[in-house]
Amino acid sequence: GQNIDQPTEMTATEGAIVQINCTYQTSGFNGLFWYQQHAGEAPTFLSYNVLDGLEEKGRFSSFLSRSKGYSYLLLKELQMKDSASYLCAVNFNDYKLSFGAGTTVTVRA
Amino acid sequence: DGGITQSPKYLFRKEGQNVTLSCEQNLNHDAMYWYRQDPGQGLRLIYYSQIVNDFQKGDIAEGYSVSREKKESFPLTVTSAQKNPTAFYLCASSPRGSEGNQPQHFGDGTRLSIL
Repeated sequence: GQNIDQPTEMTATEGAIVQINCTYQTSGFNGLFWYQQHAGEAPTFLSYNVLDGLEEKGRFSSFLSRSKGYSYLLLKELQMKDSASYLCAVNFNDYKLSFGAGTTVTVRA
Repeated sequence: DGGITQSPKYLFRKEGQNVTLSCEQNLNHDAMYWYRQDPGQGLRLIYYSQIVNDFQKGDIAEGYSVSREKKESFPLTVTSAQKNPTAFYLCASSPRGSEGNQPQHFGDGTRLSIL
């Protein structure tokens, strides 16, 4: 699969903001998904970006720059339940997704 | 409620044994997928199917087999040829939206271990 890079771990305090970056190879790019996965559970869909710009959904926002091969997921007003792994996944001109290794976010009181 | 059901939740395999993981969906999705998740690694695609009676190999198909006889079902068999089967297996489905812009919906996973 294509190289999709995201940080391994991030730690933040309850109520704070955390930004999770994701970079990918731009060739064949056809859309980017963010998923949340709690330990031992199924990933759940958070957001989808295919055009440049910011998509906002409540406390979560996702940004995309197609020319830079860059996206970020922004988590605002962090809550303890936001402690999870966040997966960046890219569609490269077919029905398959290539996933990054995931970023484990730990929210501390 | 609509969703994806994987069973069993936990599975143990003996040496030389084939085991089959079940995946059923009632979302009326055309496409279904099998992934393997190992610690510290992203989800890796094993097999996928975009329509009944058709499926394609993913990135790590060796040692695995699938069938897609019904739209609702996409079972995965882990054969004895798969020498390192211990992992968390996730099944997913999605509508066949244009240009792959439909999110995939995941089951709760099956954790497979070697006895």
